Amino acid sequence: KQEVTQIPAALSVPEGENLVLNCSFTDSAIYNLQWFRQDPGKGLTSLLLIQSSQREQTSGRLNASLDKSSGRSTLYIAASQPGDSATYLCAEGIQGAQKLVFGQGTRLTINP
Amino acid sequence: DGGITQSPKYLFRKEGQNVTLSCEQNLNHDAMYWYRQDPGQGLRLIYYSQIVNDFQKGDIAEGYSVSREKKESFPLTVTSAQKNPTAFYLCASSRGAGAANVQFFGPGTRLTVL
Repeated sequence: KQEVTQIPAALSVPEGENLVLNCSFTDSAIYNLQWFRQDPGKGLTSLLLIQSSQREQTSGRLNASLDKSSGRSTLYIAASQPGDSATYLCAEGIQGAQKLVFGQGTRLTINP
Repeated sequence: DGGITQSPKYLFRKEGQNVTLSCEQNLNHDAMYWYRQDPGQGLRLIYYSQIVNDFQKGDIAEGYSVSREKKESFPLTVTSAQKNPTAFYLCASSRGAGAANVQFFGPGTRLTVL
């Protein structure tokens, strides 16, 4: 069964801290791993996409890594800001499949 | 501006009624998708379409129906057979189907059954 798990379900940290969000996946036939941001009541915005041949991708204060051997991806957020508060979802793209498999998301709150 | 629009933003339905959610894209994408999101859960695929006049069931298609008569449009009908339709519905599109194609999402429709 294809499963993607995100732990913790919720995280609250003070402004300015560096933090890591975790994503684990079970299907070894990974094609890519994508991180999304979702604000309350809104759609998803793509943040970073890592191909299976890559180990990491960076965009501004965000860095996503991929370790296929352990079935894990992390999203690192540097110098967190209140505007980073949102739910972050990871999704695995699987070879030969038409769909993405989503994790449950981590709800992040950055306290001023 | 290119993008995906969904309407309405909020929708209320009485039990036993069918309702149709609209999804339109002007990105010239061939593939379109419908997902359902419940609180604290990830997105689950309802239906997807790789090309006009073709669509396939996803993981939770029971109680839903779709059509793809135009490239730009992929409406979703929630029928009375759907036992628990209250949820947040997201439409997405991509240039082609499959994991190699990045999906872009609309703003969503929140459906509530009264």
